[in-house]
Amino acid sequence: SYELTQPPSVSVSPGQTARITCSADALPKQYAYWYQQKPGQAPVLVIYKDSERPSGIPERFSGSSSGTTVTLTISGVQAEDEADYYCQSADSSGTSVVFGGGTKLTVL
Amino acid sequence: QVQLQESGPGLVKPSQTLSLTCTVSGGSISSGGYYWSWIRQHPGKGLEWIGYIYYSGSTYYNPSLKSRVTISVDTSKNQFSLKLSSVTAADTAVYYCARVFLMYDFWSGYYYPNWFDPWGQGTLVTVSS
Repeated sequence: SYELTQPPSVSVSPGQTARITCSADALPKQYAYWYQQKPGQAPVLVIYKDSERPSGIPERFSGSSSGTTVTLTISGVQAEDEADYYCQSADSSGTSVVFGGGTKLTVL
Repeated sequence: QVQLQESGPGLVKPSQTLSLTCTVSGGSISSGGYYWSWIRQHPGKGLEWIGYIYYSGSTYYNPSLKSRVTISVDTSKNQFSLKLSSVTAADTAVYYCARVFLMYDFWSGYYYPNWFDPWGQGTLVTVSS
């Protein structure tokens, strides 16, 4: 089955830049999306179509794509950014949705 | 703005059918332009997409769950529902419903799923005797 691969954890100090990657073979052909999930809450969309930011999402959140890897970048990380982050895309057919395994961002 | 709310039993016995409903407010399912989806999250684990439905009733399911899943829509009530049959303890999870933005491909005539927004708050379903 098709999989999106994320690192299990990323740690950064406040004010630093956090980068979370997501890799898969079909990513050059499919958009990727990113969600933030805090404990006990539903996921919230933070990036769509690789690099677009929904209204209400702070500018410190950005996304990029290069080949088979997409990256969520959080610049000037704040304590409130500590959460699980999931990438989402589709398989090569475009019809079957898949989520990455999630990355726990720890703000030291 | 659009809001979604899951409802249904929080406890289901093994081998029975799990049934959940998602009520949509602030927008009409029958207006089209979106898929409506179910996603689940096992305790302490990641997100697993279950399937989605269009207001017309067209569905697409996760191949790993397809044999046990049925998603239906009731446009008169602005609701869509999930049924998961023959449940086991492995189906214990928080179940979310969400709206799915889609993109129409003129050449294939298919609506491709894009991003999920918004999500319902989620409901925990425990499978236990």
